[in-house]
Amino acid sequence: GQNIDQPTEMTATEGAIVQINCTYQTSGFNGLFWYQQHAGEAPTFLSYNVLDGLEEKGRFSSFLSRSKGYSYLLLKELQMKDSASYLCAVMDSNYQLIWGAGTKLIIKP
Amino acid sequence: GAVVSQHPSWVICKSGTSVKIECRSLDFQATTMFWYRQFPKQSLMLMATSNEGSKATYEQGVEKDKFLINHASLTLSTLTVTSAHPEDSSFYICSARDREYEQFFGPGTRLTVL
Repeated sequence: GQNIDQPTEMTATEGAIVQINCTYQTSGFNGLFWYQQHAGEAPTFLSYNVLDGLEEKGRFSSFLSRSKGYSYLLLKELQMKDSASYLCAVMDSNYQLIWGAGTKLIIKP
Repeated sequence: GAVVSQHPSWVICKSGTSVKIECRSLDFQATTMFWYRQFPKQSLMLMATSNEGSKATYEQGVEKDKFLINHASLTLSTLTVTSAHPEDSSFYICSARDREYEQFFGPGTRLTVL
């Protein structure tokens, strides 16, 4: 079956760095997405990786290793507004998104 | 990025009534639209996938006669919750996929059934 695993909840301190991991097993692979979702709002796009390596975009970076079925989202210089759920999703061979359950990130002052 | 709108943003209705939610891609043609449901503190759950001009494909456990989906054009899909009950209260989110397979989410519709 298809499976996306990510931690349920993480806590970090304002100004620090946090890494949210995601492992996946899917039928085919056409890219991995990270989305941010604040409570009561729809997800917003953060990053897309289809090749191995690190993609950096401001304070956020995303890494992919296809051979290991592994990705992480790295958030630097954490701000209180980064408190949200972070969703990992993989696009399978049918171009359907398979969603992880999301990681709730709590930022403490 | 591309814009997807949903209407209404929130709706409160009485049990037994039907509610229609619209999802529009404003600046691109969406070959495929997706309908998700999200209960509090839970992840997105895909309900159905709809392609323009054809019948929607429902996920296991989703009643197609209760959740009617119409994808009449490349920019509009509608979800009708028929005979709504309190357990249907949820956050309904649509997304639209363009020809490059990128998905764009609507802002969501919060449904409360009394």
